[in-house]
Amino acid sequence: GAVVSQHPSWVICKSGTSVKIECRSLDFQATTMFWYRQFPKQSLMLMATSNEGSKATYEQGVEKDKFLINHASLTLSTLTVTSAHPEDSSFYICSAAGPFSYEQYFGPGTRLTVT
Amino acid sequence: DAKTTQPPSMDCAEGRAANLPCNHSTISGNEYVYWYRQIHSQGPQYIIHGLKNNETNEMASLIITEDRKSSTLILPHATLRDTAVYYCIVRVNQAGTALIFGKGTTLSVSS
Repeated sequence: GAVVSQHPSWVICKSGTSVKIECRSLDFQATTMFWYRQFPKQSLMLMATSNEGSKATYEQGVEKDKFLINHASLTLSTLTVTSAHPEDSSFYICSAAGPFSYEQYFGPGTRLTVT
Repeated sequence: DAKTTQPPSMDCAEGRAANLPCNHSTISGNEYVYWYRQIHSQGPQYIIHGLKNNETNEMASLIITEDRKSSTLILPHATLRDTAVYYCIVRVNQAGTALIFGKGTTLSVSS
């Protein structure tokens, strides 16, 4: 199956700083990428959907100015958590889909800890 | 509101079949049933999907009732590595449509 990578796999940052997470589709062109957040012992929650070259669509309750999503190419999407706070500590997971594919391929996730 | 209902947890002995149920009584005619699983601290892994016919692949079998209001995922010979959270998801097969995860079933396989 298709491979999606995320970088970094884990990151620790101080409160008030920003952190960028990369999501790459390694062997296919991803016209759509999705970002999810997962708190401990909870399910995945969809944060936003991004299509290459256009602005991301955020789910209700997700602050678009805090979680900046850029999908500038068909193989790369980035999520930047701005002015991070301890409550932003979570497991962030991206997934990607090709233009004619109904399948979503998930990355391994990024563990963010804000101290 | 959740489109699917799954038991929160199940246990299975290693080597035995694991049968995971899912209720989706409000499923629409154009919605597929998808199963994913998530092993601890990893991204979700696709298992299988179907519309109305039973499906089988190298990982599992999917049995969908005739009225499509429920389904069962079958892992024929569970191993310890099958311990994970299993998610049953219904959605239309439309490009750009996100998967929406419910609470899933935590399957614990023990020796």
